[in-house]
Amino acid sequence: NAGVTQTPKFQVLKTGQSMTLQCAQDMNHEYMSWYRQDPGMGLRLIHYSVGAGITDQGEVPNGYNVSRSTTEDFPLRLLSAAPSQTSVYFCASSYNDYNEQFFGPGTRLTVL
Amino acid sequence: AQKVTQAQTEISVVEKEDVTLDCVYETRDTTYYLFWYKQPPSGELVFLIRRNSFDEQNEISGRYSWNFQKSTSSFNFTITASQVVDSAVYFCALSEATNSGGSNYKLTFGKGTLLTVNP
Repeated sequence: NAGVTQTPKFQVLKTGQSMTLQCAQDMNHEYMSWYRQDPGMGLRLIHYSVGAGITDQGEVPNGYNVSRSTTEDFPLRLLSAAPSQTSVYFCASSYNDYNEQFFGPGTRLTVL
Repeated sequence: AQKVTQAQTEISVVEKEDVTLDCVYETRDTTYYLFWYKQPPSGELVFLIRRNSFDEQNEISGRYSWNFQKSTSSFNFTITASQVVDSAVYFCALSEATNSGGSNYKLTFGKGTLLTVNP
């Protein structure tokens, strides 16, 4: 099992550009989520999904879109990148929404 | 108010010392879950423990132990005989229902405690 995979590992964007962070899991988990980690802030929930076709907002959803067309994939879209979105992004999955979450290796995003 | 408070931003100890990382949480739910995760310098997040609100038994796993006290809303983590490899950021997290129906839970992390174990 590959677990949770994320691509790319690093990305540099210019303000206003859009991009998609990819996340996939091969554990047949229903629950998937995206977090951002900023220095001194811990991890903050951006969006989550309890199953294919079902998504909802987390604590800091503004500027991000998600969709969940399959159980395996949960991409995160930045619509118009801003410097405030410079962060490390983690995708996670779990069997359900109250079990332990398995995290991907993270994507380090810099917006200039 | 923060839902999960890790008051210790940084702790530095010498190898073989015992160290306790504090975690205080806030929730109105009767059913909730508490977690600890470790983030070593390499950056990945590693699950350590999950505890539900109905199980107040303390747990020990090797050099790690956890003390859950509902009366004080605390879920503290102790490393006995610390080692250099324990150096990491440790996160405490709370999972509680997002609505009165309790059908969805969201995980809220504390800001983390950076533990440095010096040789």
